[in-house]
Amino acid sequence: QVQLVESGGGVVQPGGSLRLSCAASGFTFTRHAMYWVRQAPGKGLEWLAVISSDGRQKYYADSVRGRFTVSRDNSNNTLSLQMNSLRSEDTAVFFCAREGRPGSFDSWGQGTLVTVSS
Amino acid sequence: QSALTQPPSASGSPGQSVTMSCTGTSGDVGGNNYVSWYQQYPGKAPKLMIYEVNKRPSGVPDRFSGSKSGNTASLTVSGLQAEDEADYYCSSYAGNNNYVFGTGTKVTVL
Repeated sequence: QVQLVESGGGVVQPGGSLRLSCAASGFTFTRHAMYWVRQAPGKGLEWLAVISSDGRQKYYADSVRGRFTVSRDNSNNTLSLQMNSLRSEDTAVFFCAREGRPGSFDSWGQGTLVTVSS
Repeated sequence: QSALTQPPSASGSPGQSVTMSCTGTSGDVGGNNYVSWYQQYPGKAPKLMIYEVNKRPSGVPDRFSGSKSGNTASLTVSGLQAEDEADYYCSSYAGNNNYVFGTGTKVTVL
């Protein structure tokens, strides 16, 4: 079955960096665009980034463009999110998600918590 | 990109129906049919319930239905059950390879 497992979360100081990973299994990774979505404590979902199935096209939300970089390794079925210049408002659970039909996220990981605090 | 507007809460008794709205603009909800809905239990990952406005993924009960009129999409849960108590989020393609989620609706089964 489809499985997405995020890792790499933790506590980081403001201005610091962190790299999240999402290990995919149970489906043909190269056939799907992939997304990052976050959820601040007690708040709603926020779309962050999308990367095309071949990794050539990447798009970002205004809130993270220029600070976050999405990438994928199709040989190892892994999605990544490099986060730089982190701010307290970036504190959230970060989910990776698979695109099913266009515009829908049909499978999600369990999430990894990132806390930005001094 | 501003979040889509959803009512903070909705409720109904078991067996009743509850409908929640998701209001955007002509640039997102009103401009395409890539509207989807997600169910989320506390501390859990979201689950896709509706895609492309009104289509249900395999395994989602037919008690869940979606629709859209203009800039507002709606999710209806018929025959409400205790297990339907959760947060529900809409999302929409917003053009220029951007996506936007709604503010979320907490459904309570009375």
